[in-house]
Amino acid sequence: NAGVMQNPRHLVRRRGQEARLRCSPMKGHSHVYWYRQLPEEGLKFMVYLQKENIIDESGMPKERFSAEFPKEGPSILRIQQVVRGDSAAYFCASRITGSSYEQYFGPGTRLTVT
Amino acid sequence: GENVEQHPSTLSVQEGDSAVIKCTYSDSASNYFPWYKQELGKGPQLIIDIRSNVGEKKDQRIAVTLNKTAKHFSLHITETQPEDSAVYFCAAKGPGGTSYGKLTFGQGTILTVHP
Repeated sequence: NAGVMQNPRHLVRRRGQEARLRCSPMKGHSHVYWYRQLPEEGLKFMVYLQKENIIDESGMPKERFSAEFPKEGPSILRIQQVVRGDSAAYFCASRITGSSYEQYFGPGTRLTVT
Repeated sequence: GENVEQHPSTLSVQEGDSAVIKCTYSDSASNYFPWYKQELGKGPQLIIDIRSNVGEKKDQRIAVTLNKTAKHFSLHITETQPEDSAVYFCAAKGPGGTSYGKLTFGQGTILTVHP
């Protein structure tokens, strides 16, 4: 059973470009969470999505960041006009529907803005 | 919102010794407390978790204890091995309906096990 998949694993963007990060949850999981990890820091919640719905985006910067989880295909975290401060590791986690609380993380996408 | 504090930030032990990492949380309504292990260049791996209706849980060499009154929980690793060396994160989840399952993480503990 494949785990959470993220791609690309490494992404280099110049300031002002767009970054698109993809996350495919575990089979049977319909809840996706995105977290950001700055160097030598813990993980910070960004957004929680279910299929075709954003449930909680309280951790997402108001500008330049957006997320989606379409009916078909992976969840996408999009960062427009990247700045150096966006350089970080971005992780997604998935959770199965129901009373289970366990979140399983992907390997992350390491974004470097030059 | 929820705030999680984790100590120590670094921990160095000899192989075979025990290691204890402690976390405190601020929201008394939090009801789920997982622990993750993160190796260099990898994503966090869930190693053990506990719900608020349980005081202790054990899985082979690792155990977690929860003190709801004091709002703290701890990870215990016995008979440590070099492959236990990693960064460990604690986390807390608020009650459903208000937190939607999002986790609030501690700052992490770098555990080094010396052979």
